[in-house]
Formats: sequence, C-alpha cells, structure tokens
Amino acid sequence: QLQLQESGPGLVKPSETLSLTCNVAGDSISSSSYYWGWIRQPPGKGLEWIGSIYNSGNTYYNPSLGSRVTISVDTSQNHFSLRLNSLTAADTAIYYCVRHGPLFLITFEDWGQGTLVTVSS
Amino acid sequence: QSVLTQPASVSGSPGQSITISCTGTTSGVGSHNLVSWFQQHPGKAPKLIIYEGGKRPSGVSSRFSGSKSGDTASLTISGLQAADEAEYFCCSYAGSSAPYVVFGGGTKLTVL
Repeated sequence: QLQLQESGPGLVKPSETLSLTCNVAGDSISSSSYYWGWIRQPPGKGLEWIGSIYNSGNTYYNPSLGSRVTISVDTSQNHFSLRLNSLTAADTAIYYCVRHGPLFLITFEDWGQGTLVTVSS
Repeated sequence: QSVLTQPASVSGSPGQSITISCTGTTSGVGSHNLVSWFQQHPGKAPKLIIYEGGKRPSGVSSRFSGSKSGDTASLTISGLQAADEAEYFCCSYAGSSAPYVVFGGGTKLTVL
C-alpha cells in the first residue's frame, strides 16, 4: 500500500528557500512508472500544481512559478524533494506530494496528508 | 496561461442532481477532453473522482459523471447525499511545448 509523507519546516522567513521532502513507502521511485509531484493550497483557497518529475530526471514546472522551483529525486532514500526560493507570504500554503500517471491524464490519485508551510518573519 | 472558471457555490437537496461547470480559456478545456475533477472535504487531501473528462477511478461511485461541451466541462452528481457536501475542483491539461496543468478556483457544494 502506497504511503506518501511530506516533511519539512512549518515556518520559513521571507526571501528564504523552502525545502520539503516526500518520503515514499510502498513503491520504488527508481523503478516506478509513475510521476512524482507537488501541489499546494493556500489556506481557504484553491489548488495549484507546482511541478512533477518523471524517471528521476524529466521535470515539468508550473510556468507561473518560473525558475523558483526545483524538484529532484533521491533514489537511495526513496524520496523526492521540492525547493522553492525567494519566498513571500503568497507562498504560505499546505503543500501536498502526489504520485500520478502521465501528466496530461491528470490522474493525481495518490496524495500525502499535506504539510502547512507559513512564510513569515 | 489558461484559466478555469467555476461557480463559487452550488446547492441541492438529498436525492437531487446538481451540475458544476468548469469553463476554460486558451489551450485548455476547449481543445481536448483532458479534464479531471477532485472532491475535497475539510481538512483532507483532495480525492480524484473523474479523469479524462468522464472516466471514474476504481471505487468512485457511478453517481459522479463528467462531460464536456465546447469550452465547458461539467461534473454531475446524481442522488445527492449528505457525504457529497465538499469542495470540488476541476483541473485541465494546458500547454504543448511546456506541459502543465491548471486548476479551477473550486466550487463549494452544500447539501441542504
């Protein structure tokens, strides 16, 4: 049974870089045919796809976030990570990691429980 | 960038049917049927209920159905139940050279 668990700081200062990790149990990232991604949701607001990675190297990012985002995989730890730099209050959100099929099918079927990140000084 | 517009809220009584619309722009809903729908209860992660416009993942009730007409995708819930009260989000594939997905703003369903 697949389990996804986000981990990282709950509070980050403006202008700093956020680093989150999604630990994967029940599937092997290195041999999986799935994509691994991040989606966020500001408190009380809608969902925003951040980006996804496939086959440990092919990355796809939301154009609205530009070059602020990096998603990577650590196959030795069986986890994948999100780095988001130049943080502002607008980046305050619940961050979810997801496993999904080909991006164009939008089968975000497996989700972590989410982790709240607050950007504040 | 594509924009998906949903009504802020809809409501219905138990047993009734409701429809939630999702209207897209640019290279979104109108050009393909790559639309998914998610249900989210308060404090929970979203749940995929419809993909590729009208397909249901295993375990999702047949009371949920999806369709599309022109630039508008729709989610219909028949035989409304109290447990259906939740936020619903549409999501569309958008982009060609740089693939990405975009979500609608969400619709709050209230079961009266």
